Amino acid sequence: GAGVSQSPSNKVTEKGKDVELRCDPISGHTALYWYRQSLGQGLEFLIYFQGNSAPDKSGLPSDRFSAERTGGSVSTLTIQRTQQEDSAVYLCASSPPGQGTDTQYFGPGTRLTVL
Amino acid sequence: AQSVTQLGSHVSVSEGALVLLRCNYSSSVPPYLFWYVQYPNQGLQLLLKYTSAATLVKGINGFEAEFKKSETSFHLTKPSAHMSDAAEYFCAVRPDNYNQGGKLIFGQGTELSVKP
Repeated sequence: GAGVSQSPSNKVTEKGKDVELRCDPISGHTALYWYRQSLGQGLEFLIYFQGNSAPDKSGLPSDRFSAERTGGSVSTLTIQRTQQEDSAVYLCASSPPGQGTDTQYFGPGTRLTVL
Repeated sequence: AQSVTQLGSHVSVSEGALVLLRCNYSSSVPPYLFWYVQYPNQGLQLLLKYTSAATLVKGINGFEAEFKKSETSFHLTKPSAHMSDAAEYFCAVRPDNYNQGGKLIFGQGTELSVKP
């Protein structure tokens, strides 16, 4: 079946602009995660949504970063006033309810370049 | 705080040789542990996971890992490397193992090269 999809696959923006990154999780998955992969920092957790519970935002690096998940499915990660240090690959993952929630299925990522 | 350390950012082996990628974790509670593989320009794919059942875990593509509590280790092995194993490998721990779901904490990754 279809895996986690992310769009766009690549995004180039200018410093100071806002960007939106989209994640479509696997159908039926209740948990959704955002991670960031960068050369200097490796893979970092950003935010986690589980069903209707309040999201775990503990990994967001600054208040320029926010995310929402509409209707328990699609999620959008927004970065306002982008900085060069925001350049990274942003990965989304989802996991199913019940048995196997420990397994996260990752999308291909969005490569963000801030000039 | 829980953390993961992968020893060696780059490992190079010859085709047919043993693959050993090292991972040590720090956790105050029994952890859930994972190995993921990332092929060039692709997302992460789960290789195997330890969730407090059998300590020797078998995964895809002939990989396996052994959970050793006394050594706080979860090293990844494969008896015979194949050229297609060349990729980056990530060890991860899930801190919140008593609840469903939860963020992963990743190691820095180990890039595996396989020489013909």
